[in-house]
Amino acid sequence: KAGVTQTPRYLIKTRGQQVTLSCSPISGHRSVSWYQQTPGQGLQFLFEYFSETQRNKGNFPGRFSGRQFSNSRSEMNVSTLELGDSALYLCASRSGQGNTEAFFGQGTRLTVV
Amino acid sequence: EDQVTQSPEALRLQEGESSSLNCSYTVSGLRGLFWYRQDPGKGPEFLFTLYSAGEEKEKERLKATLTKKESFLHITAPKPEDSATYLCAVQAVGSQGNLIFGKGTKLSVKP
Repeated sequence: KAGVTQTPRYLIKTRGQQVTLSCSPISGHRSVSWYQQTPGQGLQFLFEYFSETQRNKGNFPGRFSGRQFSNSRSEMNVSTLELGDSALYLCASRSGQGNTEAFFGQGTRLTVV
Repeated sequence: EDQVTQSPEALRLQEGESSSLNCSYTVSGLRGLFWYRQDPGKGPEFLFTLYSAGEEKEKERLKATLTKKESFLHITAPKPEDSATYLCAVQAVGSQGNLIFGKGTKLSVKP
C-alpha cells in the first residue's frame, strides 16, 4: 500500500515569490492535514481538509492557503514568501473516521532566500 | 490553552541502557495521544495511539503508557538504530485533525 507522497521534496524560492506544494494521501484516506516544522517552533498545524472542505485552520496568516480535490489530493500555497517561511512542510493523511492516527509524508523542504 | 511538553530535550544512552521519555499534556478533553519517531530529514513515523488512562501499547523495545496528565515512552535495552527524535502529540475533543505536538526528545544510543 503506497504511503503519503509529497512533491517536490526540495524547493528554493526568493522572497516575494509564491509556492505550491502537493500531497497525495494514502489510498482511501479522505483527510489531509498540513504542518509546518521549524527548529524553533516544532510542528505547528496549518489546516485540515476533509472531502474537499477545510474543517480546521491553525494560527497562520492568510498568505497560507490550501485546497483539496475530489480524489483527496491536496495542495497548499504560500504567497509573498518571507525568509521565516523556510521550513519543512509536512502533510498527514487520515482515514477521517473517528479516532485515527495520522500518517505523514517525507515533507517538502522549502528554503526562502 | 492545550499544550504538550516533552522531557528531556535530549537523551544520550549506552546500548542496552533502558530509560523513559516523558510527555506531559494539558487539554480540555483528550481524544487521543500519539507517539511518533522522526529521523533527520524525514517525516514522522507513527508508533502508537493511546486513548485512555491506564492504556499501554508495546512494539519491539518500545512501550507507551498513559495517565490522566502524562505519557511515558519506555525504551528497553536500546540499540543504536533507535536513535531518533521522538515526538508526542495530542488530539483534543472537538478538534478536527488538529494534532498538538511537543518539541520532541532527541535520543542518541551509542554502541
